[in-house]
Amino acid sequence: DVQLQESGPGLVKPSQTVSLTCTVTGISITTGNYRWSWIRQFPGNKLEWIGYIYYSGTITYNPSLTSRTTITRDTSKNQFFLEMNSLTAEDTATYYCAREGGYYEFDYWGQGTTLTVSS
Amino acid sequence: DIVLTQSPATLSVTPGDSVSLSCRASQSISNNLHWYQQKSHESPRLLIKYASQSISGIPSRFSGSGSGTDFTLSINSVETEDFGMYFCQQSNSWPRTFGGGTKLEIK
Repeated sequence: DVQLQESGPGLVKPSQTVSLTCTVTGISITTGNYRWSWIRQFPGNKLEWIGYIYYSGTITYNPSLTSRTTITRDTSKNQFFLEMNSLTAEDTATYYCAREGGYYEFDYWGQGTTLTVSS
Repeated sequence: DIVLTQSPATLSVTPGDSVSLSCRASQSISNNLHWYQQKSHESPRLLIKYASQSISGIPSRFSGSGSGTDFTLSINSVETEDFGMYFCQQSNSWPRTFGGGTKLEIK
């Protein structure tokens, strides 16, 4: 069964950089035709798509975040990563990794990792 | 960006009622619309893909319809386990966007 699990530091200070990890089991992230995404949910429930890395390694970002977001992967560990810099309190959210499937739907989600940006 | 507007924001119902949740897109997105359910402290769960296609393991009381700009998620005879948040999401273009959600609550 496909499973995704996020991990991260939980609390970071404003202006710092955070790195989040998504560990995937049950399928290789290099398996064809899937996109591996990062999505965040703010307090109050608004969902925002951050970007994805395609099975081929191609990356697409949300234009609103592209200047301070980097998505990478380690295929040997079947993991992909989100790095975000210049953090502010407005980046406080639950961060999910998810798979985008054949109809471009998010068919598998991790349990989420909470990130709080505060001094 | 494509804006998805969900209505109503909150829907108060009694178990056994049948309900319809609306999602309207700011421009035509064909059938590239998906629905998710999210319960408190859980991740979103895919309910319907491609506007009307069912998902394995999802009860048959959930159904979707619509195309273009207007979409509906219907729940036939709501059960207590159905209460929570419902979101629509479009995959017609980048960036992917989500609606603001409808909260289904017990009356």
